[in-house]
Amino acid sequence: GAGVSQSPSNKVTEKGKDVELRCDPISGHTALYWYRQSLGQGLEFLIYFQGNSAPDKSGLPSDRFSAERTGGSVSTLTIQRTQQEDSAVYLCASSTRDRVYSGGDEKLFFGSGTQLSVL
Amino acid sequence: AQSVAQPEDQVNVAEGNPLTVKCTYSVSGNPYLFWYVQYPNRGLQFLLKYITGDNLVKGSYGFEAEFNKSQTSFHLKKPSALVSDSALYFCAVRDGDGGFKTIFGAGTRLFVKA
Repeated sequence: GAGVSQSPSNKVTEKGKDVELRCDPISGHTALYWYRQSLGQGLEFLIYFQGNSAPDKSGLPSDRFSAERTGGSVSTLTIQRTQQEDSAVYLCASSTRDRVYSGGDEKLFFGSGTQLSVL
Repeated sequence: AQSVAQPEDQVNVAEGNPLTVKCTYSVSGNPYLFWYVQYPNRGLQFLLKYITGDNLVKGSYGFEAEFNKSQTSFHLKKPSALVSDSALYFCAVRDGDGGFKTIFGAGTRLFVKA
């Protein structure tokens, strides 16, 4: 597709259930980010994937959160045993950069996000 | 570790007046700086970036930003605000000397009154 695609757009779940959020980056983009935007808060960095390198997981808030990126393309963010404080918009972004001084575009292209509501 | 501060939760300006949205940053290496905008019910969009070169950077929709190394600031400006500029603006920074993590500020909501 032309842009970053995220699914589902909305997810309502019960406390304690597991959820999976999906991100399809722009074709050819090697870098993929997950962010969380809570009501009234900024964008909280969660995790970053770059090509075949080990992901930067430093922003994951707890071990209930995990993410995978299969084949260097699609990514799945999994939240286990969801809590009410997990309610937020989860945003995925991709970019073209593939090395520190690639001279690449640097800018991030964002998806529309998944609105997660934990009841 | 890098960080970004946007000291104003909200900025109000009258249409036709100049606007400034403030951003300061902290990074150990060379700063790569960005502004993004989030319009109501729309995704985040890139506005402009500073990587190297001229301190004054021009971007989309008539916006510009000035990189000030001594003040570690990257304020967003526009000479004449439009009602359609009303949105949520995010400043972001990446450490250009290593790592790929892009950190965003808390955002500043801009209201432009007709």
